[in-house]
Amino acid sequence: EAGVTQFPSHSVIEKGQTVTLRCDPISGHDNLYWYRRVMGKEIKFLLHFVKESKQDESGMPNNRFLAERTGGTYSTLKVQPAELEDSGVYFCASSPAVGGSLTDTQYFGPGTRLTVL
Amino acid sequence: AQSVTQLGSHVSVSEGALVLLRCNYSSSVPPYLFWYVQYPNQGLQLLLKYTSAATLVKGINGFEAEFKKSETSFHLTKPSAHMSDAAEYFCAVSSPSGSARQLTFGSGTQLTVLP
Repeated sequence: EAGVTQFPSHSVIEKGQTVTLRCDPISGHDNLYWYRRVMGKEIKFLLHFVKESKQDESGMPNNRFLAERTGGTYSTLKVQPAELEDSGVYFCASSPAVGGSLTDTQYFGPGTRLTVL
Repeated sequence: AQSVTQLGSHVSVSEGALVLLRCNYSSSVPPYLFWYVQYPNQGLQLLLKYTSAATLVKGINGFEAEFKKSETSFHLTKPSAHMSDAAEYFCAVSSPSGSARQLTFGSGTQLTVLP
């Protein structure tokens, strides 16, 4: 079974540009999460999809960030326009079906390292 | 609000020595607790999780952790370190209240295993 995949693995852009990160969850997982780790800091929650709906987006830093999950499958996270402080590693995770337990394991992808110059 | 504190951003042990990585949590209700490991160029992998069943939790690769409510701790241990244990380790908590499933992470501990 394929794990969570993320693309690209690295992205280097200039301030003011747009970047789109993609996450493909484990097949059949209804829950999809985005997290971010800014260098030297802890991993922080950004948002949570249940299927195609945003369940919780309390961690999104501002309106420059837009997340979508088309048809409840893969998800994209767009940053427009990017700022220097957006640099970090963006992780995606997925977990099984809706109605699952709070202790359900979240399976993480390898992350996308974003550098904004 | 809940939080996680990992004491020691870097820990070094000799191969064969005891591994002890510290995690303390703050939560208004009994939490669910997790330890994840990240090897270079890989995603986070679950080592073990506490779900209020048994206080001593055994995980993969010989790791275990004990939930101590009185100390608000969930320290990770392994009796004998192996070179392959070198990685970054994260403690995380999720709230059992409501429908929230977000994980709150500590800042991570980089484990170095010396030959």
